[in-house]
Amino acid sequence: EDQVTQSPEALRLQEGESSSLNCSYTVSGLRGLFWYRQDPGKGPEFLFTLYSAGEEKEKERLKATLTKKESFLHITAPKPEDSATYLCAVSATGNQFYFGTGTSLTVIP
Amino acid sequence: DSGVTQTPKHLITATGQRVTLRCSPRSGDLSVYWYQQSLDQGLQFLIQYYNGEERAKGNILERFSAQQFPDLHSELNLSSLELGDSALYFCASSPRDRWPAFFGQGTRLTVV
Repeated sequence: EDQVTQSPEALRLQEGESSSLNCSYTVSGLRGLFWYRQDPGKGPEFLFTLYSAGEEKEKERLKATLTKKESFLHITAPKPEDSATYLCAVSATGNQFYFGTGTSLTVIP
Repeated sequence: DSGVTQTPKHLITATGQRVTLRCSPRSGDLSVYWYQQSLDQGLQFLIQYYNGEERAKGNILERFSAQQFPDLHSELNLSSLELGDSALYFCASSPRDRWPAFFGQGTRLTVV
């Protein structure tokens, strides 16, 4: 069964304290892995897409990496404005697109 | 602003009723996706249209239906509403048939 699991469910960091969020997946025929940011009451905002193991993408304080079984979203020296829910999603064979349940990140000043 | 417009923003209705949610994709985007987000289930894929044709179907109930019109806007119809249908409904669009790139702000549906 196709599945996307994110951990931890919630993460509290001090400003400047780097950490990583995890997204593990079991899908048949992975076509791509995607990271989104979602602020409360708003729609998800696209961050990155990764297509093959070993690929890395960076944007400001965020860096996404991909292996054959999981992806990590590394947050370096986070700021309070990075507080949000980070969603991972995978695109699989048959045009199916699965979201994980997200990691709620809180960065404390 | 993602460029995807959803109306209405909020909707309160009674059980058993029928509602229509509307989505205008970004200019030029051919794909429209619909998602349901509830507190306990996360984002659930409902259905995708590409240039007017149904492209992929997720866990969409038989009471729900959708279509994409020639001008590329889309409507999601929810009928025989139940309390459990209360959720945020998101529409997303993308230029091609690949992945949902741009999300709207959602329609919050409350069934009472």
